[in-house]
Order: sequence, then structure tokens, then C-alpha cells
Amino acid sequence: DAGVIQSPRHEVTEMGQEVTLRCKPISGHDYLFWYRQTMMRGLELLIYFNNNVPIDDSGMPEDRFSAKMPNASFSTLKIQPSEPRDSAVYFCASSLPGPQSVNTEAFFGQGTRLTVV
Amino acid sequence: GIQVEQSPPDLILQEGANSTLRCNFSDSVNNLQWFHQNPWGQLINLFYIPSGTKQNGRLSATTVATERYSLLYISSSQTTDSGVYFCAVDRRDSSYKLIFGSGTRLLVRP
Repeated sequence: DAGVIQSPRHEVTEMGQEVTLRCKPISGHDYLFWYRQTMMRGLELLIYFNNNVPIDDSGMPEDRFSAKMPNASFSTLKIQPSEPRDSAVYFCASSLPGPQSVNTEAFFGQGTRLTVV
Repeated sequence: GIQVEQSPPDLILQEGANSTLRCNFSDSVNNLQWFHQNPWGQLINLFYIPSGTKQNGRLSATTVATERYSLLYISSSQTTDSGVYFCAVDRRDSSYKLIFGSGTRLLVRP
């Protein structure tokens, strides 16, 4: 498997523009996570899905952020409108908890470095 | 929520030296992982180790779940070991969401 695939790798956009980040999880994984990494806050969970259904979005910072998972192989994180403080690295991860929660190892994509100017 | 504390925050080693990184967590966990974030920002899985001891080459890890800590050992360090090492855990509540520590920044000098 190619692992978790994110696109784009880098995104530079102007304040006020819409930004869409994309993620393809590992095939067969039924949990998908979106994380954000900043110098100030470290790695923080934004939202996660189980079987394409959002389970916990308490980490989403504002209504400007939204995430969808239309099918098992694709998810998007959208920021509209974007602001300079949204500049960060955004990671997507996926995992496949086995029976009785055996082996819940998560695997991360290479991240999208977002810069909002 | 669960707290994850890593120590030391920063570490500088001479190539060839050994080191131990520590991760303390405040609640029972279902999963514990160690990651290496390389200078290009990539998060690389090192160990999935909710309990016990594992070894992979020059790296090994031990988790003592009953005492709520994990240790990552790096032996004969190399410059390529430089980067940030993260410990991450998920609570034993079936949510499977990883909570990260703040990391240990390692610099290995030639």
C-alpha cells in the first residue's frame, strides 16, 4: 500500500481565499483523522471519522473549518475564508482498530504545509 | 483529558552516544506510539507499543502501562537520528484518537 496520501504538499494562498486539503487513507482503514501542527500548539486533533461518519469535531477551531468524507477512500478539509493564523502543517492519518481494540496503530500522511498571506 | 509529558524537551548528542527519552501519561491507554519527525516534517512510525518491550535495530522501546510511562532508547546515535521524537497515546475509551506529547528535539552532532 502507498500509505496515506495527502495533497497538495504545499499551498500558499491569500487571506480570504478558500483552501481545500485532500486525503486518501490506507485502503481498508476505517478511521481517519485530521491533525494540525503549529509551533505554539504542537500536534492537535481537529476531527476524526469512523466509517466515513464524523465522530468528534471538537477540535475544529472555528466554523470556517469543515471536513467531509464522502467515501472510504477520500476526505477533505476545507477552510473558508482562510486567515494568516491558519498557517500550519495539516496531517491526515488513518488506522484500522482490530477486534477488541487490538492494534490501533495510526499511520500519517506527509502533510500539507499551508501558508496564508 | 489525558496528559502526555515528554522529557527532556531538548537533547544534544555527539554521534555514537546513547540516549533515553521518556513519556509519561496520566491515564490508562489503549495505544502508545513513538514517532520520529524528520527535518522534512514527515512523521515516521517507530513503535506501536501499548505495553512490553520492542527493538528495531539501534532503537528500542519499553512501556510500563501499570506505571504509565514509556521509554525510547537510541543507541550509537547517528546524525540521521536528528529531529523531533513524539510520543502519542489514545485513552482506553475506544475513541482511537491519538493525543501527542510536546516532543523531544534531538540534535546529533558529527
